[in-house]
Amino acid sequence: NAGVTQTPKFRILKIGQSMTLQCTQDMNHNYMYWYRQDPGMGLKLIYYSVGAGITDKGEVPNGYNVSRSTTEDFPLRLELAAPSQTSVYFCASSYIFSGRAGGETQYFGPGTRLLVL
Amino acid sequence: DAKTTQPTSMDCAEGRAANLPCNHSTISGNEYVYWYRQIHSQGPQYIIHGLKNNETNEMASLIITEDRKSSTLILPHATLRDTAVYYCIVRVGGGGNKLTFGTGTQLKVEL
Repeated sequence: NAGVTQTPKFRILKIGQSMTLQCTQDMNHNYMYWYRQDPGMGLKLIYYSVGAGITDKGEVPNGYNVSRSTTEDFPLRLELAAPSQTSVYFCASSYIFSGRAGGETQYFGPGTRLLVL
Repeated sequence: DAKTTQPTSMDCAEGRAANLPCNHSTISGNEYVYWYRQIHSQGPQYIIHGLKNNETNEMASLIITEDRKSSTLILPHATLRDTAVYYCIVRVGGGGNKLTFGTGTQLKVEL
């Protein structure tokens, strides 16, 4: 399994441009997440999905949109890029431990580094 | 989700045990303790989790106090590759729940 893959690895955007960050997982996980990490800080949840066709907002959803048409893919869309969106974006997917209530492991992708100028 | 408190940084000699503490005094009965780590510039990596019993896997051991207000992650034989930021996270079980990452503990393993 490739696990969680993200593209691109790095991107520079001009203010007002749009782009889509791609995320794909091949582990048949129902749950998928998008986080952002600003320099020296922990990760913050942007959006998440509990299955195909179902998405919900996290802590910092403003300026972003998501869709989940398949189990494997969970793209993140930036419509009007702003300097405040300069960050590293991580996608994750997860499953529930069988026979162990409450257990969940989130698997993270390598990240996309975005610079908005 | 309960808030956690971790030291900002710790050092450990290679080959020795690394003991990383975490305080979570407001933890609720249905909240689990999770540990993740992030090696420089990479995505976070799951290490271990537990509810109230001590847990051990191939990577580490997790010791949770009887009152569940604190825990310790133990890396039994730290190597240079264990140098990373370690995050202690407390949250309810089940899927579809966010992981609330604080600033974690920067562990530096030295020769």
